[in-house]
Amino acid sequence: GAVVSQHPSWVICKSGTSVKIECRSLDFQATTMFWYRQFPKQSLMLMATSNEGSKATYEQGVEKDKFLINHASLTLSTLTVTSAHPEDSSFYICSVATGPAGSPLHFGNGTRLTVT
Amino acid sequence: TQLLEQSPQFLSIQEGENLTVYCNSSSVFSSLQWYRQEPGEGPVLLVTVVTGGEVKKLKRLTFQFGDARKDSSLHITAAQPGDTGLYLCAGDSGSARQLTFGSGTQLTVLP
Repeated sequence: GAVVSQHPSWVICKSGTSVKIECRSLDFQATTMFWYRQFPKQSLMLMATSNEGSKATYEQGVEKDKFLINHASLTLSTLTVTSAHPEDSSFYICSVATGPAGSPLHFGNGTRLTVT
Repeated sequence: TQLLEQSPQFLSIQEGENLTVYCNSSSVFSSLQWYRQEPGEGPVLLVTVVTGGEVKKLKRLTFQFGDARKDSSLHITAAQPGDTGLYLCAGDSGSARQLTFGSGTQLTVLP
């Protein structure tokens, strides 16, 4: 399996500021990482697929200019929430696939974002 | 769009009781995974079922994949407070698309 480290685990920011969340694959070279958003006691909503060395693929309804994804190396993907608003407050989780599409995922521990 | 509906959505039981969580779809999946997520953490894979009719046991947890590979169930025997969490099923359509996650079941086991 893969060990996935996500940082920070929680962050509070003011409206209008930007927040960067890091997702690191510690023991696996990940060409693909996924970013999810989760509301309390609800399932995961796939936001985007992060591809190393190329542009991320965003799901329908996810604003790519608001949720900037960078996957510059095989071990690091970042999600930047730009000009954050209170409605962006949520739990953001990244995951790594160690096999082809549909393979089990290894998740980070998530980042709790609160925008005041 | 492939949908995976889980039921019940919320379940609160006493320690020692048995329970079953269902994961249903009208679509066929080549495999199905179950994850458990504890508060403030990411989901952790419990099991993957691949063959229609397959039954897998993980201590007090029994997972079954439907014969038609459209549904799955998770049965927990003698639930313990440590079983509390959000249970998610996830289906692989086998078409090189990403996993489809179920709607989730929030389980609370009271001591």
